[in-house]
Amino acid sequence: GAGVSQSPSNKVTEKGKDVELRCDPISGHTALYWYRQSLGQGLEFLIYFQGNSAPDKSGLPSDRFSAERTGGSVSTLTIQRTQQEDSAVYLCASSLVPGNQPQHFGDGTRLSIL
Amino acid sequence: GESVGLHLPTLSVQEGDNSIINCAYSNSASDYFIWYKQESGKGPQFIIDIRSNMDKRQGQRVTVLLNKTVKHLSLQIAATQPGDSAVYFCAENKDFNKFYFGSGTKLNVKP
Repeated sequence: GAGVSQSPSNKVTEKGKDVELRCDPISGHTALYWYRQSLGQGLEFLIYFQGNSAPDKSGLPSDRFSAERTGGSVSTLTIQRTQQEDSAVYLCASSLVPGNQPQHFGDGTRLSIL
Repeated sequence: GESVGLHLPTLSVQEGDNSIINCAYSNSASDYFIWYKQESGKGPQFIIDIRSNMDKRQGQRVTVLLNKTVKHLSLQIAATQPGDSAVYFCAENKDFNKFYFGSGTKLNVKP
């Protein structure tokens, strides 16, 4: 596709369950980012991937959060043992190269923890 | 800590008027800034960017101004239209690979 694709668009799950969120970046984009956006708030950086380099995980809020990027393309964000405070919109973005280039965002996954 | 912030959380303007959305940043080392527009249920959409070696950059109906002396960034929208109603975020590239976003300003365009 032409843009960043995220799935599912909405996810409702019970507290304590694990969830996986998927991101398909724009083809050829080497940098991939995950952000979290709580209602009415700005974007909170979670993790960043660049090529085959080790990811920058400095924004992950706890060890329940992890992410992978396979083959330098698709990425999966996993949240284990979900808590109600994990409820938010999770946004993925990609850019052609990292640094001084615009990031292109998907429409996010709205996660609701009951 | 360093942060990006916005002066006005909500801005209401009349259709056809010009809009100005402001942003303050605190890191003088930031060298690249972006304005995004986010509509309800959508991801942020790139509007315009500016590098620190510039003071002004113009796009279609939008202008970004950068004042490095006072660490201030603004987005000007000319002849504001109902379709401009959204939340606007500024972002700074403080660290080479990471962007820091403000909390956003909601723009309401009254017909």
